[in-house]
Amino acid sequence: GDSVTQMEGPVTLSEEAFLTINCTYTATGYPSLFWYVQYPGEGLQLLLKATKADDKGSNKGFEATYRKETTSFHLEKGSVQVSDSAVYFCALSEIYTDKLIFGTGTRLQVFP
Amino acid sequence: DVKVTQSSRYLVKRTGEKVFLECVQDMDHENMFWYRQDPGLGLRLIYFSYDVKMKEKGDIPEGYSVSREKKERFSLILESASTNQTSMYLCASRSRTSGPGELFFGEGSRLTVL
Repeated sequence: GDSVTQMEGPVTLSEEAFLTINCTYTATGYPSLFWYVQYPGEGLQLLLKATKADDKGSNKGFEATYRKETTSFHLEKGSVQVSDSAVYFCALSEIYTDKLIFGTGTRLQVFP
Repeated sequence: DVKVTQSSRYLVKRTGEKVFLECVQDMDHENMFWYRQDPGLGLRLIYFSYDVKMKEKGDIPEGYSVSREKKERFSLILESASTNQTSMYLCASRSRTSGPGELFFGEGSRLTVL
């Protein structure tokens, strides 16, 4: 079945560093792809999405590009802040069921 | 501000007890979901509902049941709690007309079964 693989965390960075969190997927067809963020003590929030190949999703300085050739959807940010410390989940929606499949999550810790 | 509210943030129950986790959304969403979140496993779908009185099994329904008597409320029931059901439970909702990934989540209910 469809699956999502994320890099293991935690990812530890200093403020203003460049962030990459890797996400690859295995799926039938071309699913929509998503990044969710979970801040401490809160539920998940949709951060960005891309619905077709070469689409770039962006929000709050974060970006991710849907790469069909490499089946990847890596999350990037040019300059992280302490307030970006959270757990980030990559997800896809199965094309026949619309069911969301989540990765295992990557914890980001940003220090001043 | 739109909200998905889970009634209990933290619960401690004993093995064999019946547990109710309540979820209410104020966005008039048709679709509602229950997930459990475990370290290293991400989120796994337990049950979902696309309408009142409708329910569908997710990937890990064993040991759980659900109830959707009203559109805004979706309850998760553990008939006889076991220690392997210790977890974080997340409720989510979505409009029928929105994209599949556009879920709104509650803050979660952390259940400990002793």
